[in-house]
Amino acid sequence: GDSVTQMEGPVTLSEEAFLTINCTYTATGYPSLFWYVQYPGEGLQLLLKATKADDKGSNKGFEATYRKETTSFHLEKGSVQVSDSAVYFCALSEGGATNKLIFGTGTLLAVQP
Amino acid sequence: GAVVSQHPSRVICKSGTSVKIECRSLDFQATTMFWYRQFPKQSLMLMATSNEGSKATYEQGVEKDKFLINHASLTLSTLTVTSAHPEDSSFYICSVEPLRTGSYEQYFGPGTRLTVT
Repeated sequence: GDSVTQMEGPVTLSEEAFLTINCTYTATGYPSLFWYVQYPGEGLQLLLKATKADDKGSNKGFEATYRKETTSFHLEKGSVQVSDSAVYFCALSEGGATNKLIFGTGTLLAVQP
Repeated sequence: GAVVSQHPSRVICKSGTSVKIECRSLDFQATTMFWYRQFPKQSLMLMATSNEGSKATYEQGVEKDKFLINHASLTLSTLTVTSAHPEDSSFYICSVEPLRTGSYEQYFGPGTRLTVT
């Protein structure tokens, strides 16, 4: 079945460092891809999404490009801030009649001042 | 502000008792809500899809008689863990798919930490 694999954390960075969190997927069809973020004590929030190959999702300085050839959707940010400290989840949706989300294991990001 | 609430945020119960968790959509009406379970250092696993006015759809391997889901209104879904056992201890998260969107976006609650002693 469909699955999502993302890099294990925790990832610890200094403020203003470059961030990459890897995410790869396995899917039989043409899924939509998502990054969700969970700040401490809060629910998951949609960070960005891409619905077809070569689409780039972006939000709050974060970017991810839907790469069909490498089945990847890596999350990047050029300069992280302490406020970016959170758990980041990569996910896919099979689409069609279902809106089921399949999640990766989550990656904890800790940004130090 | 939060668009989905869950109550309680934490609950500790004794083995053999039942626990009810509420999921409320504060800003949207939703015919569809989802219930997830998250184990430590693992991903969210979809348990069931809650459909307003009809029976929930359970994922393979999830016992429907143990995890009772009731979607009584367009803003409320409840998950009842019946005859809870320590292995049911987990983090339970709900999400809401608003009626108005066609973009498959889900809004998540903050989760409920269940500990069964």
